[in-house]
Amino acid sequence: GNSVTQMEGPVTLSEEAFLTINCTYTATGYPSLFWYVQYPGEGLQLLLKATKADDKGSNKGFEATYRKETTSFHLEKGSVQVSDSAVYFCALTLDSWGKLQFGAGTQVVVTP
Amino acid sequence: NAGVTQTPKFRVLKTGQSMTLLCAQDMNHEYMYWYRQDPGMGLRLIHYSVGEGTTAKGEVPDGYNVSRLKKQNFLLGLESAAPSQTSVYFCAIQRGGNNEQFFGPGTRLTVL
Repeated sequence: GNSVTQMEGPVTLSEEAFLTINCTYTATGYPSLFWYVQYPGEGLQLLLKATKADDKGSNKGFEATYRKETTSFHLEKGSVQVSDSAVYFCALTLDSWGKLQFGAGTQVVVTP
Repeated sequence: NAGVTQTPKFRVLKTGQSMTLLCAQDMNHEYMYWYRQDPGMGLRLIHYSVGEGTTAKGEVPDGYNVSRLKKQNFLLGLESAAPSQTSVYFCAIQRGGNNEQFFGPGTRLTVL
């Protein structure tokens, strides 16, 4: 079946550090890939997406590139802020109905 | 939250009791989804709807029923609650065919 694997957290960083969250997937076909972010006590928000190989999604200083050869979609940010503390979810969908398959989530804690 | 509201925000049930969670949108979007979020497991799709009067099963539908009598509302029912249904429930809507979902704030349900 289809699945998404993310690195376990929590990931603890100092402000202005570089952030990478690994995400790999298995899928029958060519999925669309997403990163969602969940701030404490809130619902998920779409952070970025990529719909085909070599696409790069970007938003709010975060980037992720769809790598078909390594079935990966790693999330990166060059300089994190305390306000980036949240749980980050990698997800995929394979159909037009938008049924999302999520990874387990990675908690990121940024300290001043 | 892109005009997605969920009622109630919190609820405590005893085993065997029933309840209905309401998701309402103030946009005219066709697709609506119910997910549950459990620690270490990400979000899992329970049921979804691609239009008024339609529903379909997701990954973990057992123990839940849904209805979409009006386009704006998507109801999730638990006929006989079990402790395994203790979770945070999120509703999401999808705008158009771009697979970008927007989530409500969630309902935290505890079954004793």
